[in-house]
Amino acid sequence: QKEVEQNSGPLSVPEGAIASLNCTYSDRGSQSFFWYRQYSGKSPELIMFIYSNGDKEDGRFTAQLNKASQYVSLLIRDSQPSDSATYLCAVKGGKLIFGQGTELSVKP
Amino acid sequence: GAVVSQHPSWVICKSGTSVKIECRSLDFQATTMFWYRQFPKQSLMLMATSNEGSKATYEQGVEKDKFLINHASLTLSTLTVTSAHPEDSSFYICSARVQEDYEQYFGPGTRLTVT
Repeated sequence: QKEVEQNSGPLSVPEGAIASLNCTYSDRGSQSFFWYRQYSGKSPELIMFIYSNGDKEDGRFTAQLNKASQYVSLLIRDSQPSDSATYLCAVKGGKLIFGQGTELSVKP
Repeated sequence: GAVVSQHPSWVICKSGTSVKIECRSLDFQATTMFWYRQFPKQSLMLMATSNEGSKATYEQGVEKDKFLINHASLTLSTLTVTSAHPEDSSFYICSARVQEDYEQYFGPGTRLTVT
């Protein structure tokens, strides 16, 4: 079992829709959870982090964490074509471990 | 936010040669730096963790004699790929943090192509 798993996609949504990205992790001792966005040929950039169970909102982005289910998600509201990228879930226990990423395509 | 730079941004080298990649924290002192490798359509894989003044800790399966890491100062870490082969062609990304529980800042990456 991979330490951090994501659906590889691609996930395609129309402009203005909600994009939902999911991630599960195996280490119950993980403390911090991160979502990064990576454009092709670029390094990842941090979008959000979450430490506690529940929801955390930042603009159009909402991160959700359920430690009992070992599940993290990212919702992107009012998706824009500029949101088209690969989204990486990362989990930190001792080290920062990345999932394989979900490719998101937002169609105009 | 904090800035991490990498040099070069891309490099092409011949098989059997060595190449050095620099990672610098420009506006903060990084006690820990990380080196990742990313193959096309794959995720970032941690190669090694280095603390200033100490030997790097390599992840399982990463050859420490092939990927030499030096973290001689609080603002500079280098990765040297020795005797490079085409299978070493990849996107190498460094990141740095001030200390544990602080955010990791990522460099822009270095694209290595070995011919």
